[in-house]
Amino acid sequence: IAGITQAPTSQILAAGRRMTLRCTQDMRHNAMYWYRQDLGLGLRLIHYSNTAGTTGKGEVPDGYSVSRANTDDFPLTLASAVPSQTSVYFCASSEGNAGELFFGEGSRLTVL
Amino acid sequence: SQQGEEDPQALSIQEGENATMNCSYKTSINNLQWYRQNSGRGLVHLILIRSNEREKHSGRLRVTLDTSKKSSSLLITASRAADTASYFCATDAPESSGDKLTFGTGTRLAVRP
Repeated sequence: IAGITQAPTSQILAAGRRMTLRCTQDMRHNAMYWYRQDLGLGLRLIHYSNTAGTTGKGEVPDGYSVSRANTDDFPLTLASAVPSQTSVYFCASSEGNAGELFFGEGSRLTVL
Repeated sequence: SQQGEEDPQALSIQEGENATMNCSYKTSINNLQWYRQNSGRGLVHLILIRSNEREKHSGRLRVTLDTSKKSSSLLITASRAADTASYFCATDAPESSGDKLTFGTGTRLAVRP
């Protein structure tokens, strides 16, 4: 049982570099999400996609972009990483909007 | 901005005791969910309660919802060491987040053997 697969698990990145976090689901869920988790701030929504071909901005979208070319994949790209993007990133999916979310195990990103 | 706020931020209890965590939110909701996160892992869905429901049970979990007070509580009965984790409430708030789930900052529960 795979569910949501995220890669890489962990990455250290120099500021200014481009980075793509990968997310793949095998549940054929329509909706997918990217959250970041920071100590004391909980999880904050970065971007979401209600269905393949569509994306939307969440609470903290600046500095991030996403694409949803197909149902299964939802990559998150940092075009030019900054230290404030140091965080743990979680990808999630759901059958519909605001239903039960299924989370990946996270990608820990450190920007130096 | 945070829609949900959990209370307390941290809770330490003895195995066998009950653990109660509270969640307050700001705007009207369609449903409220509780999630669990073990250290270094992803979140796992525990239970969903709809705005027209007042109480829901799942195994040792009991969730209540008071929409007039904009609050919810999660009760874990007969706690076990394996219940040690962080617990988050999440709400969908049509007015503020377009039905997307907004998470609180979580309660860290430690259950001592």
